[in-house]
Amino acid sequence: DTGVSQDPRHKITKRGQNVTFRCDPISEHNRLYWYRQTLGQGPEFLTYFQNEAQLEKSRLLSDRFSAERPKGSFSTLEIQRTEQGDSAMYLCASSLDGRSTDTQYFGPGTRLTVL
Amino acid sequence: AQTVTQSQPEMSVQEAETVTLSCTYDTSESDYYLFWYKQPPSRQMILVIRQEAYKQQNATENRFSVNFQKAAKSFSLKISDSQLGDAAMYFCAYVGQAGGGADGLTFGKGTHLIIQP
Repeated sequence: DTGVSQDPRHKITKRGQNVTFRCDPISEHNRLYWYRQTLGQGPEFLTYFQNEAQLEKSRLLSDRFSAERPKGSFSTLEIQRTEQGDSAMYLCASSLDGRSTDTQYFGPGTRLTVL
Repeated sequence: AQTVTQSQPEMSVQEAETVTLSCTYDTSESDYYLFWYKQPPSRQMILVIRQEAYKQQNATENRFSVNFQKAAKSFSLKISDSQLGDAAMYFCAYVGQAGGGADGLTFGKGTHLIIQP
């Protein structure tokens, strides 16, 4: 079991640019979650997928944020027209079954810096 | 909405001593799960321990144990025989059964644990 992986680990971009992050969950994990963590705070839930279906996206921070999970495997999180306030750590987590109470296993995160 | 409060931004303990990290939460649900996660510097978050609200027995994992007080909505983490490798941010987290995952995990702001050699 290789764990949850995220790519890239760090991303520096200029304001107004689009960025895309990738998350590869643990093999055979059905659920995949995205969180944002700003400095000095706990992670904040953004969205989640059950296989390829995005079951909750109202918590995405704005319409500039979108996520996909084609074929129910890896997922991407895209931020369009980045703003300085988007600077944060973006965390991905996966869990085995389709229950909300299953343990979530986290990836190392992608740290985004918007200049 | 559920909230999780960690009132200790930072705690310090001598190596080999015992330390307790506090967590309180607010919910109207009766069926839920609570977690403690550890986030070492520049490393990924890992699960320390989990507690099902319907279980009266407090969860334990080696040197880590919880004191779960459902009526008081309190969920503290005790670390015995503290080791240098325990130094990290510790986050308390909640998830309700009823939401079906729609809310994800709700985290507290974290407690920075320092281990003094």
